[in-house]
Amino acid sequence: RKEVEQDPGPFNVPEGATVAFNCTYSNSASQSFFWYRQDCRKEPKLLMSVYSSGNEDGRFTAQLNRASQYISLLIRDSKLSDSATYLCVVYDYGGATNKLIFGTGTLLAVQP
Amino acid sequence: DAMVIQNPRYQVTQFGKPVTLSCSQTLNHNVMYWYQQKSSQAPKLLFHYYDKDFNNEADTPDNFQSRRPNTSFCFLDIRSPGLGDAAMYLCATSILGGSMNRAFFGQGTRLTVV
Repeated sequence: RKEVEQDPGPFNVPEGATVAFNCTYSNSASQSFFWYRQDCRKEPKLLMSVYSSGNEDGRFTAQLNRASQYISLLIRDSKLSDSATYLCVVYDYGGATNKLIFGTGTLLAVQP
Repeated sequence: DAMVIQNPRYQVTQFGKPVTLSCSQTLNHNVMYWYQQKSSQAPKLLFHYYDKDFNNEADTPDNFQSRRPNTSFCFLDIRSPGLGDAAMYLCATSILGGSMNRAFFGQGTRLTVV
């Protein structure tokens, strides 16, 4: 089983749609969780951190379910500019181990 | 101002010719990472430094080496690049602990092997 798994998509949605991405992770001791956005041929950029209580940033809502080892990202009112690959990232920390582990990414294409 | 800088942005090297990619940071972060990302794939961790402690991923080929002479700089050495090593190489930094462990990425070096 992969350490961090995502549905690769692509998700093709019309402008204004709501779309949800899911991610599961295998290490129950993982400490921190993030969603990164990566545009074609660019570096990943932090979209938002994911907290146990859930958090919202404008049109974006992230949820964490530690019991199920599951993370989600909800995008409301999709814009053309939201088209990108969304990477679920899990941070494992223990002693000298500090690893950011990436999921395979979910490709989103917002259509006009 | 860029906080994690990778040089060069684009590198073309010959098959088997050693190449070095560099990364510098102005954040004074204690952790630095090197990732390899091939087309349509997730970034794959090659190794990371926690201060001077080097941590190699089990499946990182011996062809890949790294050096961190000080906090600010980290280098990726590919001793004998093969065609399969063509990829984007991403350097990232983070600070240990709590919610501050998000990573900051450089813009990457795109390596072409001819």
